[in-house]
Amino acid sequence: GIQVEQSPPDLILQEGANSTLRCNFSDSVNNLQWFHQNPWGQLINLFYIPSGTKQNGRLSATTVATERYSLLYISSSQTTDSGVYFCAVEREFGNEKLTFGTGTRLTIIP
Amino acid sequence: DAGVIQSPRHEVTEMGQEVTLRCKPISGHDYLFWYRQTMMRGLELLIYFNNNVPIDDSGMPEDRFSAKMPNASFSTLKIQPSEPRDSAVYFCASSLTGLAGGNLYNEQFFGPGTRLTVL
Repeated sequence: GIQVEQSPPDLILQEGANSTLRCNFSDSVNNLQWFHQNPWGQLINLFYIPSGTKQNGRLSATTVATERYSLLYISSSQTTDSGVYFCAVEREFGNEKLTFGTGTRLTIIP
Repeated sequence: DAGVIQSPRHEVTEMGQEVTLRCKPISGHDYLFWYRQTMMRGLELLIYFNNNVPIDDSGMPEDRFSAKMPNASFSTLKIQPSEPRDSAVYFCASSLTGLAGGNLYNEQFFGPGTRLTVL
């Protein structure tokens, strides 16, 4: 099956700092999503981004499908950004299974 | 709009008991997924349905697990008999496949999860 690797596994930052999270995948994909799992365990959709660049407030994401990676940028971090960020991919259309990476645990210190 | 609804939010049961988890997908969505999250294995897909029909159950761990979707607005995941190693958070998700800008689109939305503890 497709492999999804996320880096770094853990990241501790001061409030106000910027960060870049990376997701590498081993095969071409039809779907790529970024999720934030907050400290209460809820999985919140951040981006649906199989290719290209999107921005939503302080967050933005870029997927370079031909090179099989995606980046999530968080600017001016806030303590509410803490949690685990997951990248998930769907390998091909017609097989709607999302394969999740192991996540990046982000801790923002006040 | 209401998101994906799951019940119960927490379930504590004893080994050997039957457990039933429930899910109501987002109205109009044509896919429904059941996932399990554990520290050891992360998030893994158990089974998914398209238009109420099970498509892939290869992730279901063993015969003790079963899932049904009797109609477009309801699904259950049943564990019988339950074992301590089934303790996990179980998520339900739904999606609607369509076209956006000429591209196929299939974004999944997750419910709040059910935290299951089997003693």
